[in-house]
Amino acid sequence: NAGVMQNPRHLVRRRGQEARLRCSPMKGHSHVYWYRQLPEEGLKFMVYLQKENIIDESGMPKERFSAEFPKEGPSILRIQQVVRGDSAAYFCASSPPSQSNYEQYFGPGTRLTVT
Amino acid sequence: DAKTTQPTSMDCAEGRAANLPCNHSTISGNEYVYWYRQIHSQGPQYIIHGLKNNETNEMASLIITEDRKSSTLILPHATLRDTAVYYCIVRVGNNAGNMLTFGGGTRLMVKP
Repeated sequence: NAGVMQNPRHLVRRRGQEARLRCSPMKGHSHVYWYRQLPEEGLKFMVYLQKENIIDESGMPKERFSAEFPKEGPSILRIQQVVRGDSAAYFCASSPPSQSNYEQYFGPGTRLTVT
Repeated sequence: DAKTTQPTSMDCAEGRAANLPCNHSTISGNEYVYWYRQIHSQGPQYIIHGLKNNETNEMASLIITEDRKSSTLILPHATLRDTAVYYCIVRVGNNAGNMLTFGGGTRLMVKP
C-alpha cells in the first residue's frame, strides 16, 4: 500500500504565477488535510476535505488560496498570484473513514519557492 | 483543543532510552494524546496515541499520568535516526475530522 503521494516535490514560481500542488491519499482514505510549514516554524492546518466537499477551511488564507478533492483524482491546493511569503513546505495528510484508526498519514511535502 | 507544553530541546545518548515529557494540564475527558515526529525536511510521522491507559507499540511507549495532565513518550533504545522534532498533540475525540494542532515540539538530538 503506497503512502500519501505529493507532487511536485519542489516547485519554483515567480511572483504573480499560479502554483498547483497535488496530493494522492493512501488507498482507501477519504479524508485529506493540507498543512503549511513556513521556514523554521511549526505546521499549521489549512483545510480539511472529503471527496467533493470542503469540511473545514478555517486555516486557509481568505484570498488566493483554494482547495478541492474531486470524486476522481488527487486533491489540489491552488495558490493564485503567488507572493514571496507563500514560500513554504506544504504537507498533505490523509486518514481512513473507519472509526478504529484516525491517525493522519503525511506525505513528503511540496516545497514551494517563490522568486 | 487543549494546549501542550514541551521542552524546546533534549539530548540523548545512542542506545539509551529517550524520555520526552509533555504537559497538558487543561486536557478534557474526550481528548486524546497523540505523538508525531518530524525528521528533518520530511512529513510528520505518527508514533502513538492514547486516552488514559499506557500504550506501547513497535516504535515507542506512551505513559499518561493518572490525572491525565501530563504524559511521557519513551523511545526505549534511541538511535541516530530518531533525531527529530517530536510533537505532543491533544486532540478532541477519536475523530477523523479534527485537524492536528502542532506546537513547537521538542527537538531531540541523539548523540553517538
